Amino acid sequence: GQNIDQPTEMTATEGAIVQINCTYQTSGFNGLFWYQQHAGEAPTFLSYNVLDGLEEKGRFSSFLSRSKGYSYLLLKELQMKDSASYLCDEGKLQFGAGTQVVVTP
Amino acid sequence: EADIYQTPRYLVIGTGKKITLECSQTMGHDKMYWYQQDPGMELHLIHYSYGVNSTEKGDLSSESTVSRIRTEHFPLTLESARPSHTSQYLCASQPKLGTGTLVNEQFFGPGTRLTVL
Repeated sequence: GQNIDQPTEMTATEGAIVQINCTYQTSGFNGLFWYQQHAGEAPTFLSYNVLDGLEEKGRFSSFLSRSKGYSYLLLKELQMKDSASYLCDEGKLQFGAGTQVVVTP
Repeated sequence: EADIYQTPRYLVIGTGKKITLECSQTMGHDKMYWYQQDPGMELHLIHYSYGVNSTEKGDLSSESTVSRIRTEHFPLTLESARPSHTSQYLCASQPKLGTGTLVNEQFFGPGTRLTVL
């Protein structure tokens, strides 16, 4: 989506931490969603932020700064199964192009 | 687990045929969406609906139509299939924010992989 900017690809090793940044337009903010999509499968919901700060869900955390139009998804203790595309969505019918995370042994 | 279904899962069809891709959800969600996605590429919104008898066009709506006669059902029709329609089609539903719903994420169906020869 043209209103959302996230990196195209990131590579990290198993057990490491990766942070995926997302910037979006701040007008008419509805909340910020992160989805995970494995190759050939449908996206699945990971996290939602509507207030500033960090939301933690096990190995995955998501951060939001509304004033900066900025969010990140933090993946800790990376596992091979975390290799997927991660989509940032500001709830305005436009998904970001997604960040392809490649986890190497 | 999300209760949203798409049929068929796979379809191979010839050019010029009329096809309907089915999508149903049993969660009572008001909002439903159709997306088109090529491998490794982003999701493109084709059509969406915010309730019965409400449909809107997305960025990529040409050559297709939708209907929303019942809350649970949101079929997508291609009037005349072309090879350029070859893609994966994903349906999604979403609850309204309100009582009992604090997070209104989208729930995706498994997708229909369409090949037009």
